[in-house]
Formats: sequence, C-alpha cells, structure tokens
Amino acid sequence: GENVEQHPSTLSVQEGDSAVIKCTYSDSASNYFPWYKQELGKRPQLIIDIRSNVGEKKDQRIAVTLNKTAKHFSLHITETQPEDSAVYFCAASSGTSYGKLTFGQGTILTVHP
Amino acid sequence: DTAVSQTPKYLVTQMGNDKSIKCEQNLGHDTMYWYKQDSKKFLKIMFSYNNKELIINETVPNRFSPKSPDKAHLNLHINSLELGDSAVYFCASSQAPRTGDGLQPQHFGDGTRLSIL
Repeated sequence: GENVEQHPSTLSVQEGDSAVIKCTYSDSASNYFPWYKQELGKRPQLIIDIRSNVGEKKDQRIAVTLNKTAKHFSLHITETQPEDSAVYFCAASSGTSYGKLTFGQGTILTVHP
Repeated sequence: DTAVSQTPKYLVTQMGNDKSIKCEQNLGHDTMYWYKQDSKKFLKIMFSYNNKELIINETVPNRFSPKSPDKAHLNLHINSLELGDSAVYFCASSQAPRTGDGLQPQHFGDGTRLSIL
C-alpha cells in the first residue's frame, strides 16, 4: 500500500520568513496530493491540493510543487504570519477509483512574531 | 450551516461500554469517511462509503461497525470499548471520485473526542 513520509516533524520560523515542508510517497500510481492545516483542537482544513498532471500550483502565499519522477511534493509558505502556526499534513491517494488518502505524520509549524 | 457535523463533540465512557457517533453532511456529497486521529496526531482512514455502499474497510477491529442510512449520514458504532480506542474520530465527505481525476477534496467535521476511562 501507499506510504507517505513527511519532514520535518517540527519547524520554527520567524514571522515573514518562508517555510517548506516536504513529503515523499511510495505508490507511483498516486494522482492526488492534498495539504491540510489543523489548528489545535480543530478539524483538518484543506489549504491546497495538486494532481499528478500538474507540477506546481499557487494560491496567494501558499504553493505546492510535485515531482512525479522522484515521488515527492512540497508545501511552500511565504511571508509567514503567527496565524500560520498549526500542524500541517500532506496526503497522497492511490490511483484506483476509490483509493484512500494516506496521510503523512504531520509537521508542527510555529511562527514567532 | 456546518457542512459536516458530528455528534457528540466529546464522549467520555468506561471500558466495555457500547457507544455511537453520528455524522451528517449537507454538501450533497456522495462519499463519506471515518478517520481516527491518535494521540500522536496521526490520521488514518477507517471506513469509506459511497452512496450508502461500503467501499473501504481498513484493518479495523470488528467492534467498529459503520452504518450509512442514506448518503448524507454515516454513523459509527463501537462495541466493547477498549482503552486503545481513545482518540479523536473525524468524519469527512467528498464528491465521488471522477474517472481519470481520482479522489475529490475531502471536508472534515469538527471531530469527536472519545476518552475511555
């Protein structure tokens, strides 16, 4: 089955700096890669996703890149703000029609004012 | 107005009891899911239903039984609760996967925090 590895497990940055979180996946048939943000005690919220036919996607301060050959994808947050502090999860889904989402272990991002 | 709503939000009970968690979505989605988030925050799929039909059943003890009376509802019944069942259980929903496009974005409920004494 799919295996998703996420690094780093914790990331501490100063406000205004950029943050990068990286994930690798094992199933070359995976075709959907969402990123979720989870604030303390809250539900995971989808912040951006990318499909295997696209190499990069951007939404304001957030961007995701996908390298299918190397089977890794990354989340980039620019001009970080204290409200970006949360746990971020990457996920990958297998290529089958009713494939499941396999999540990474999560990254605790702390943005210091 | 909540898109995916779960009840109860908190559930504290003793070992050996049977309990249920309810989930309802008003997004018109065909697919619903149950996830378990353990104390280390790891999120893992348990079950998935599409239009009331079970399509994913992970290696979950058979003490856990999902039931989908209609495509807007997916409930989770747990028999003989054990200490290791303590976790946050999230319900989620999405549109059905599309041919050639795969899974569609999943929207999560607020979670049910289950604590076993």
